[in-house]
Order: sequence, then C-alpha cells, then structure tokens
Amino acid sequence: GENVEQHPSTLSVQEGDSAVIKCTYSDSASNYFPWYKQELGKRPQLIIDIRSNVGEKKDQRIAVTLNKTAKHFSLHITETQPEDSAVYFCAASIQAAGNKLTFGGGTRVLVKP
Amino acid sequence: DTGVSQDPRHKITKRGQNVTFRCDPISEHNRLYWYRQTLGQGPEFLTYFQNEAQLEKSRLLSDRFSAERPKGSFSTLEIQRTEQGDSAMYLCASSLGLATNEKLFFGSGTQLSVL
Repeated sequence: GENVEQHPSTLSVQEGDSAVIKCTYSDSASNYFPWYKQELGKRPQLIIDIRSNVGEKKDQRIAVTLNKTAKHFSLHITETQPEDSAVYFCAASIQAAGNKLTFGGGTRVLVKP
Repeated sequence: DTGVSQDPRHKITKRGQNVTFRCDPISEHNRLYWYRQTLGQGPEFLTYFQNEAQLEKSRLLSDRFSAERPKGSFSTLEIQRTEQGDSAMYLCASSLGLATNEKLFFGSGTQLSVL
C-alpha cells in the first residue's frame, strides 16, 4: 500500500518568513495530493490540493509543488502569520480507486511574532 | 454549519463497553469515510461508503468494529468490547463521490477515551 513520509515534524519560523514542508510517497499510481491544516481540537481543513497532471499550484500565500518522477511534493507558505500556527498534514491517494487518503505524520508549525 | 457533523464530540467509556458514533455528511455527498487519529499522528483510513454500500475496510478495522450507512445518508461506527488501545479521535469525512476532482471534507471528530 501507499506510504507517505513528511518532514520536518516540527518547524519554527519567525513571522514574515517562509515555511516549507516536504512529503514523499511510494505508490507511483497516486494522483491526488491534498494538504490539510489542523488546529488544536479542530477538524482537518483542506487548504490546497494538486493533481498529478499539474506541477505547481498557488493560492495567495500558499503554494504546492509536485515532482512525479521523484515522488515528492511540497507545501510552501510565504509571509507567515501567527494564525498559520497549526499542524499540517500531506496526503496522497488514487482518485479512481476510492480516493482513500494516506496521510503523512504531520508537521507542527509555530510562527513566532 | 453545513459541514460534516459528528456526535458525540467526546465519549468516555470503560473497557469492555460498546460505543456508537454518528456522522452526518454534507448533504448530496455520496461518499463517506471513517478515519482514526491518535495523538501526534496523521489520520488512518478505516472504511468508506459509496451511498449505502461499504466498499472497503482497512485491516485496522477489527471484528469489534462495524460501520453502517443504511439509507446512504448518515453513518454510524460501533465499537464492541472496547479496549484501551481504541482510545483515539474518530474522524468522518465526506465527498461528492466523483471519480475525479474529488475533495474530502472532515468533521470535528469524536474523541474516545477508554478507561
């Protein structure tokens, strides 16, 4: 089955700096890669996703890149703000096979004011 | 709130008791997923439904676990003879059920503590 690894497990950045989280996946058939943000005690919230036919996607301060050959994808947050502090999870799935997400272990991001 | 709703938010039970959780998906969403999340880990897939049909179960779902979605709307997850290792957050998610362009939306979960 699919295995998703995520690094780093914790990330501390100064407000205004950029944050980068990296994930690798094992199943070359995976074609959907969402990112979720989870604040303490709250639901995972979808913040951005990318499909395998696209190499990069951007939404305001958030961008995701995908390298299918290397089987890795990354989340980039620019101009970080204190409200970006949360745990971020990457995931991978095969959309036509039930879209069952396999999650990485999470990255705890702390943005220091 | 028209998102995925789960009930109860918290459940404390004694080892050996049975518990049941409920999930109400976003209306018109055909797919419903159950995940389990332990502290400091990412959610792990348990099972999913397409309408009322349960299409796949993870090996994590032992015989003590059963899930239903009788009318293709809300779903229940029952754990029989609970064990301390069952303590976790149980998350429900729903999606439209399309083969492409799918997005999963999660509920806030039910936090289970088995004493």
